[in-house]
Amino acid sequence: QVQLQESGPGLVKPSETLSLTCTVSGDSISSYYWSCIRQPPGRGLEWIGYISYSGSTNYNPSLKSRVTMLVDTSKNQFSLKLSSVSAADTAVYFCARAIVRGWADYFDYWGQGTLVTVSS
Amino acid sequence: DIQMTQSPSSLSASVGDRVTITCRASQSINNYLNWYQQKPGKAPKLLIYAASSLQSGVPSRFSGSGSGTDFTLTISSLQPEDFAAYYCQQSYSTPRTFGQGTKLEIK
Repeated sequence: QVQLQESGPGLVKPSETLSLTCTVSGDSISSYYWSCIRQPPGRGLEWIGYISYSGSTNYNPSLKSRVTMLVDTSKNQFSLKLSSVSAADTAVYFCARAIVRGWADYFDYWGQGTLVTVSS
Repeated sequence: DIQMTQSPSSLSASVGDRVTITCRASQSINNYLNWYQQKPGKAPKLLIYAASSLQSGVPSRFSGSGSGTDFTLTISSLQPEDFAAYYCQQSYSTPRTFGQGTKLEIK
């Protein structure tokens, strides 16, 4: 059974960088694409981006200038950094596995999510 | 960006009812449409991918249909555990976008 676990600070100050690590267990990270998705409290879902096992990325253009995703196959982890955060970045951040088949893709396994609050 | 619009935004129904949720894309997305269920405080769960393919382990009372711009998720006979929020999501283009959600409540 594939499991994803998010970890990182629950509180980040405005203008600083949000860092999130996603640890994958139950399968190798080297066979899939991996994604980060966020959900502001009481609101809908926003896709942040993808990273492949080889390190190629695809980001949401609305966040692209502030987002960096990296993969560490030796630790079976991938990570998200979001710079220059503001209160608008307060959300539950999810890690997810993406199945990519041709042009179609979908998120079949998700972490439980972690709430990150941006506040001074 | 492709806008995904769900209707209704909320819905009250009873156990045993047949329920349909609609998702409309702002442009054609072929069949690149997925459906997720989310319960309070939990991560979304994949129900349907590629518009009509049932994810492994998901009960057969869930079904999806549609192509182009108009899609539906149908629950044939509501069970108590089905009361949750439902989201559609397109995978046709970047950025991937979700509908605003449909909250299914007990009548």
